[in-house]
Amino acid sequence: DAEITQSPRHKITETGRQVTLACHQTWNHNNMFWYRQDLGHGLRLIHYSYGVHDTNKGEVSDGYSVSRSNTEDLPLTLESAASSQTSVYFCASSEIGSSGIETQYFGPGTRLLVL
Amino acid sequence: KQEVTQIPAALSVPEGENLVLNCSFTDSAIYNLQWFRQDPGKGLTSLLLIQSSQREQTSGRLNASLDKSSGRSTLYIAASQPGDSATYLCAVLRGSARQLTFGSGTQLTVLP
Repeated sequence: DAEITQSPRHKITETGRQVTLACHQTWNHNNMFWYRQDLGHGLRLIHYSYGVHDTNKGEVSDGYSVSRSNTEDLPLTLESAASSQTSVYFCASSEIGSSGIETQYFGPGTRLLVL
Repeated sequence: KQEVTQIPAALSVPEGENLVLNCSFTDSAIYNLQWFRQDPGKGLTSLLLIQSSQREQTSGRLNASLDKSSGRSTLYIAASQPGDSATYLCAVLRGSARQLTFGSGTQLTVLP
């Protein structure tokens, strides 16, 4: 079955370190997204991509970067981790179906703690 | 800027009750609205998706309605069960850009 996976599932790091969170989907979807979830804020969009070599900034992109070298993967990099980036990170992918409906499918999340 | 609000933030009901979760959004120019379920430590599972031209969608004991003009959606859960305990999130897909804006969720507990 097609799926979307994230690794690692849990990560502890120190402030100032570079961290990369992996996202891999086997749906063959063109669209991929990264969100962070914090108490009281729901999910907020960090970056998104509509295809290979396409990347766009979302609502809370400062301190994060992504690159899209193939259809399956969209790694999220924290250039210099800060305590404010402690959060749960979700990756999602989507495609517009023949009916014109677009549904996003979410990975299980990565829980990141920055000390 | 689109803002999505969910009230209440938490709800506890006895098993068997029918209940309604509320979602409101500030910009009516939406492409669709989705309701998601999130279990602790897990990702999001899509429950229902309502296109902007639709008024409601049903799946089993779940019914979601959409009133775009007033910026409101409700998720109705009939005959609640302990297995329904989870956080329910609504999200709107903006018409101008294919990006989801989420509410902060309603944490539902169904007591046996």
